Amino acid sequence: GAVVSQHPSRVICKSGTSVKIECRSLDFQATTMFWYRQFPKQSLMLMATSNEGSKATYEQGVEKDKFLINHASLTLSTLTVTSAHPEDSSFYICSARDSKGTDTQYFGPGTRLTVL
Amino acid sequence: GDSVTQMEGPVTLSEEAFLTINCTYTATGYPSLFWYVQYPGEGLQLLLKATKADDKGSNKGFEATYRKETTSFHLEKGSVQVSDSAVYFCALIKSGGSYIPTFGRGTSLIVHP
Repeated sequence: GAVVSQHPSRVICKSGTSVKIECRSLDFQATTMFWYRQFPKQSLMLMATSNEGSKATYEQGVEKDKFLINHASLTLSTLTVTSAHPEDSSFYICSARDSKGTDTQYFGPGTRLTVL
Repeated sequence: GDSVTQMEGPVTLSEEAFLTINCTYTATGYPSLFWYVQYPGEGLQLLLKATKADDKGSNKGFEATYRKETTSFHLEKGSVQVSDSAVYFCALIKSGGSYIPTFGRGTSLIVHP
């Protein structure tokens, strides 16, 4: 089946620094990727939809200047958490939809961000 | 709007017991339905899917049938194993739309030896 990778899997950073998380579709092209945030024992919260070659679409309440999304190619989207604070600590998960048109989402393994 | 309702967990079973995790949905049109599984500390893995009424999705001993008349997509497995312990998410995606899935809250399954 389709594989989506995320890097890094875990990151610990100091408050005020920026962290970049990569999401790659390894064996298919993804026109659209999605970024989610998951709090402990809760469902996924959609943060934004990342479209290749255009600006991301952010969900209500998500700060676009804090969570920068770039979808520079059909296989790579990046999420940069700028000036991270402890409340940004969370599990971030990306997903990708195959550009061939199926509606199935394939999820990455997630990135655990801890901001000290 | 669209919504997915799952039974609250945790569901606690002994090994080899029968599993049912209920999922019902509300949506206009004809969505595709999915079950995803999340093991501790990992992302979501697609477990099975069904794209139209009366379709049955199956994988690794798990099954779910798309029931339009009851708007349900209950997950079943005849004999669970300790390794099935995880959180299970039911989701729907509307065809021809933004392809953004609507998730249920997740149901934690704990299987004891």
